[in-house]
Amino acid sequence: DTGVSQDPRHKITKRGQNVTFRCDPISEHNRLYWYRQTLGQGPEFLTYFQNEAQLEKSRLLSDRFSAERPKGSFSTLEIQRTEQGDSAMYLCASSLVSHPQYFGPGTRLTVL
Amino acid sequence: KQEVTQIPAALSVPEGENLVLNCSFTDSAIYNLQWFRQDPGKGLTSLLLIQSSQREQTSGRLNASLDKSSGRSTLYIAASQPGDSATYLCAVRPHGGSQGNLIFGKGTKLSVKP
Repeated sequence: DTGVSQDPRHKITKRGQNVTFRCDPISEHNRLYWYRQTLGQGPEFLTYFQNEAQLEKSRLLSDRFSAERPKGSFSTLEIQRTEQGDSAMYLCASSLVSHPQYFGPGTRLTVL
Repeated sequence: KQEVTQIPAALSVPEGENLVLNCSFTDSAIYNLQWFRQDPGKGLTSLLLIQSSQREQTSGRLNASLDKSSGRSTLYIAASQPGDSATYLCAVRPHGGSQGNLIFGKGTKLSVKP
């Protein structure tokens, strides 16, 4: 087990395009989280799953954002009609219930 | 609304010094508090986790304390090394309400000079 992995590590896109990120959690972890981090700030919570169920969504997660975890394993985060304000590092974490969260390396998104 | 503040925002010390990073939170109803390290452009590495019932945790040269009633935590780094240079983030997990998310401070950027 090599920990949480994210793909791609970097994504550059033009405003208005759709992008999709993938997160593969630690295999036995049933919880998976998405966070967004902008320069000079701490990560901000977006959403989390327990198994395949999406249990909570932050108000930061606008209608242009959608996350899925169809089989309770990997997850995808899609951003539709990207805006320059979406430029950030998107971090994924996984955990067992009531255990520490382990973070992946992040996907850095740049919207031109 | 829970808010987490970290002071100072940046800190530069010579190698070998002992140092303390501070974290404060506004709502004492927390499940646990976690300290992370983040290297530039990278993800987060968990350093120490303190449950709400605990007062401190130690790992190697790191010691984290928690005073829930006053809403404060400190991360003590002994005998600092250049390899300790990174941003250190403090995060709390709220008790009750949302069970999923961590609330982070903005971090303290540490630079240890050889």
